[in-house]
Amino acid sequence: GIQVEQSPPDLILQEGANSTLRCNFSDSVNNLQWFHQNPWGQLINLFYIPSGTKQNGRLSATTVATERYSLLYISSSQTTDSGVYFCAVPRGFTSGTYKYIFGTGTRLKVLA
Amino acid sequence: DAMVIQNPRYQVTQFGKPVTLSCSQTLNHNVMYWYQQKSSQAPKLLFHYYDKDFNNEADTPDNFQSRRPNTSFCFLDIRSPGLGDAAMYLCATSSGNPYYEQYFGPGTRLTVT
Repeated sequence: GIQVEQSPPDLILQEGANSTLRCNFSDSVNNLQWFHQNPWGQLINLFYIPSGTKQNGRLSATTVATERYSLLYISSSQTTDSGVYFCAVPRGFTSGTYKYIFGTGTRLKVLA
Repeated sequence: DAMVIQNPRYQVTQFGKPVTLSCSQTLNHNVMYWYQQKSSQAPKLLFHYYDKDFNNEADTPDNFQSRRPNTSFCFLDIRSPGLGDAAMYLCATSSGNPYYEQYFGPGTRLTVT
């Protein structure tokens, strides 16, 4: 089945720094989501990005489906950006919808 | 605001004592998913519904069952919880074709004593 790897696994930043998180997947996909899991465990939608580039404030994401990777950019990081970032891609289509597999995650800590 | 709600947020149960977790949504989405997330791991899909059509993952233990009585509600039943079932349980919804974006509830953290 499809494998999804994220890098780096852990990242520590000083507040105000920029960073790039990467999601590699082993098979072609036709959609991809990025999530931020906050310290209370909730998964917050960041981007639904099958291809191309999207921006939302200090965050942006790019998916290059033909090369099987997606990037999440965080600029001017803030302490509230701390948490775990996951990408998720489909690994099958059943009964009219996709089943998803999550990547290995990147744990980010932003220091004040 | 349209949302996905999970109750309770924290649940403590005893080894072997059945427990039910609930999820409701005001998004009117066709698809509802249940994921299990253990400490420092990625969420893992247990099963999902498209309307009333139930899809179980091959490696989901028989101990886990689900019910979806209507579009808005979905339940996760753990018939005989073991210590290894302690985890965060996450419910998600999606509208389905052509919009497959998932929306998650806040999760229920289950402790088994």
